[in-house]
Amino acid sequence: QKEVEQDPGPLSVPEGAIVSLNCTYSNSAFQYFMWYRQYSRKGPELLMYTYSSGNKEDGRFTAQVDKSSKYISLFIRDSQPSDSATYLCAMRVDSNSGYALNFGKGTSLLVTP
Amino acid sequence: DSGVTQTPKHLITATGQRVTLRCSPRSGDLSVYWYQQSLDQGLQFLIHYYNGEERAKGNILERFSAQQFPDLHSELNLSSLELGDSALYFCASSPPGTGVHEQYFGPGTRLTVT
Repeated sequence: QKEVEQDPGPLSVPEGAIVSLNCTYSNSAFQYFMWYRQYSRKGPELLMYTYSSGNKEDGRFTAQVDKSSKYISLFIRDSQPSDSATYLCAMRVDSNSGYALNFGKGTSLLVTP
Repeated sequence: DSGVTQTPKHLITATGQRVTLRCSPRSGDLSVYWYQQSLDQGLQFLIHYYNGEERAKGNILERFSAQQFPDLHSELNLSSLELGDSALYFCASSPPGTGVHEQYFGPGTRLTVT
């Protein structure tokens, strides 16, 4: 079992819909949680970064972390065709020798006009 | 454009060969990260350098090595290449005082091993 699981999709929604993207993880030591957006043939772009459980909002994006359930979510409100991309979750745990950083495989999102 | 540059854009080579990928971070950034992205493994963190020193190591194979030079550019060396090493290799950089939560990715180098 991979440490970070993410449904690959594709997820297709109409413009204006609320999108929910999710990841589950197995390592309860993960401390930092990130969401990246990756357009086709481009490098990833960091969208949201959270530490500990709770919600964080940035414009149309809300990141949610539930450490008790080992579950994180990214919500996109009023989705736009320009949101069509692959969304990757990532998690980090620090250690004495540095840190480990694990990524989900990404969920492909298509927002149709 | 993130400001991170990577060369070459594409690289085609044969099994058993050795290649070097180059990354120049954004002006002022001291950290450089290397990642490998393939269809079956997804995005994997390889290694992180900060101002010339190794800070963290991820799933980097022993056949791979990296370094960061005094001018802060970084090179990722891949040797004894195998078909399975075919992937996109991304470099990212981040400003001092930040970390993986403020990374800027380059456009990537696509490596094809035949």
